[in-house]
Amino acid sequence: GAGVSQTPSNKVTEKGKYVELRCDPISGHTALYWYRQSLGQGPEFLIYFQGTGAADDSGLPNDRFFAVRPEGSVSTLKIQRTERGDSAVYLCASSERDPWSDYEQFFGPGTRLTVL
Amino acid sequence: AQSVAQPEDQVNVAEGNPLTVKCTYSVSGNPYLFWYVQYPNRGLQFLLKYITGDNLVKGSYGFEAEFNKSQTSFHLKKPSALVSDSALYFCAVRDVDNFNKFYFGSGTKLNVKP
Repeated sequence: GAGVSQTPSNKVTEKGKYVELRCDPISGHTALYWYRQSLGQGPEFLIYFQGTGAADDSGLPNDRFFAVRPEGSVSTLKIQRTERGDSAVYLCASSERDPWSDYEQFFGPGTRLTVL
Repeated sequence: AQSVAQPEDQVNVAEGNPLTVKCTYSVSGNPYLFWYVQYPNRGLQFLLKYITGDNLVKGSYGFEAEFNKSQTSFHLKKPSALVSDSALYFCAVRDVDNFNKFYFGSGTKLNVKP
């Protein structure tokens, strides 16, 4: 079946602009994660959704970052007043089961965000 | 706090030779450890995990990892490397206090030469 998809694959924007990054998880997966991967680094946790609610947003770096998942499927990561330091690959992952059980995350290909 | 470290930025190995990609961890409790592989322009793919049980964990594509509690290590291994194994490998640990969070290492680039 289809895996996790993310759009756009690349996004170039100017400092101060607003961007939205979209994630389509695997159908039926209730858990959804966003990560940020800076150059030469491993993925860094941003936020976790269980269903429609943000169960854990402790990784969001500041209040310019926000994510939604209104119907428990597609999620959008929103970044306001972008800064050059926001440039990174933003990864989305989904999983089938509750995180308290043994499960596996399936990652999308990522969106490469470049802030000029 | 939980963390993992991958001490090697890059590992070079000849095709057919055994390979090892190193990972050490720091956790305050029993660790949940993972290995992922990332190919260019593709998402991370799960290779294997250690939750409990046998210290030698077998995973996808012929990879295995050995959990060593005394050395706090979880090295990834493969008996015979393939050129197609060339990719970026990440070790990760699940936060024992907050299962929602995973901490990834900085990655190790594996180069397998023919």
